[in-house]
Amino acid sequence: AQTVTQSQPEMSVQEAETVTLSCTYDTSESDYYLFWYKQPPSRQMILVIRQEAYKQQNATENRFSVNFQKAAKSFSLKISDSQLGDAAMYFCAIFGNEKLTFGTGTRLTIIP
Amino acid sequence: GAVVSQHPSWVICKSGTSVKIECRSLDFQATTMFWYRQFPKQSLMLMATSNEGSKATYEQGVEKDKFLINHASLTLSTLTVTSAHPEDSSFYICSAVTSGGANEQFFGPGTRLTVL
Repeated sequence: AQTVTQSQPEMSVQEAETVTLSCTYDTSESDYYLFWYKQPPSRQMILVIRQEAYKQQNATENRFSVNFQKAAKSFSLKISDSQLGDAAMYFCAIFGNEKLTFGTGTRLTIIP
Repeated sequence: GAVVSQHPSWVICKSGTSVKIECRSLDFQATTMFWYRQFPKQSLMLMATSNEGSKATYEQGVEKDKFLINHASLTLSTLTVTSAHPEDSSFYICSAVTSGGANEQFFGPGTRLTVL
């Protein structure tokens, strides 16, 4: 079984500032992938960033980067230069054993 | 590329009726599709894995006879909610995978089901 825990139900950040969303996970798989998805009010799931567990280097996609600590089973998302369009629910997820398991999500509010 | 559509986007039905939701991969072939359910303000929960040409694999606790899944072609999977009841009201989301593997899922826009 695999689980994902997001301990921050809600977060807020001033526009242009940096915010970090936390995520921890548990899995018995040795081969797995980690994801951050964004779900705006439209409810369309949008892939933000992806990390292969076998890669030590942290993934980066423009303003989005992760801090992947494999031994600690931690996978946090850092959003730099926050923009109004970043406001959404953010879900951390793990793919292992042919299944994608999501955390409970963090609602991110951007303060103008 | 890798666009997934769902139809309908919103459906309202009476209790006891059946509702069919379609999930289509528009620009790629998907041997595997997944169906998720999302209750208000909650996370996505995997309901079943749908493989083209074979029976779907249901997650524990999901009623196979209640949620019928058919994956008859490489671009279409359908979810039929049979004898729907108000507690089946939810947001249903499908995803499809390309040849890149199941870890690379592309999500549909979802279908909101309201059962009166």
